[in-house]
Amino acid sequence: QVQLRESGPGLVKPSETLSLTCFVSGDSVRGDSYYWSWIRQPPGKGLEWIGYVYYSGTTHYNPALRSRVTISIDTSSNQFSLRLTSVTAADAALYYCARLNYDSAWLLDIWGLGTLVTVSS
Amino acid sequence: EIVMTQSPTTLSVSPGERATLSCRASESLSSLAWYQQRPGRAPRLLVHHTSTRAPGIPARFSGSGSGTEFTLSISSLQSEDFAVYYCQQYGAWPLTFGGGTKVEI
Repeated sequence: QVQLRESGPGLVKPSETLSLTCFVSGDSVRGDSYYWSWIRQPPGKGLEWIGYVYYSGTTHYNPALRSRVTISIDTSSNQFSLRLTSVTAADAALYYCARLNYDSAWLLDIWGLGTLVTVSS
Repeated sequence: EIVMTQSPTTLSVSPGERATLSCRASESLSSLAWYQQRPGRAPRLLVHHTSTRAPGIPARFSGSGSGTEFTLSISSLQSEDFAVYYCQQYGAWPLTFGGGTKVEI
């Protein structure tokens, strides 16, 4: 079955860049209907969609984060990545990668377990 | 962006009882999705297109609604249903979620 797993540093210093990678197994990131997404959840709070990348490299970001975020994909390694620059305490969250499946609706149908990122000097 | 507002924030119910969760959108939607997040777990898709259950989701979960008002009902709460539930709109970018309803004993 399809599985996603996030990986990356759990601690990032303020003003530095957060970098995470999502490894996809059980399916190819090249699926026509699949867009690969990042979502975050600050401790005790709700969910915020960050953006997606398509296997072609096409991206779409949340305007609230667009100036600081880059999502990229490596189809040869079946993985995709998140970069968030100039982080502050407000960026501390549980970061999830997920498959965004377009089947007449944009649905986050497979999620990773999430990885906790703390922002502190 | 479309703002999703869920109510109540917390719903206290007993096992076997019915739970009704509400979600209101700031703009009219053709449909939406619901996710369940159990403690310490990632969210999972429950319902899409307002009322279509995702594969493997029990029939006690049902969704309804239209326009700006949507509802998720759980007909007879089981212990594993105590969780936080989020609605999500996919009618416009960015995708947005409601703040969640925690269903507790």
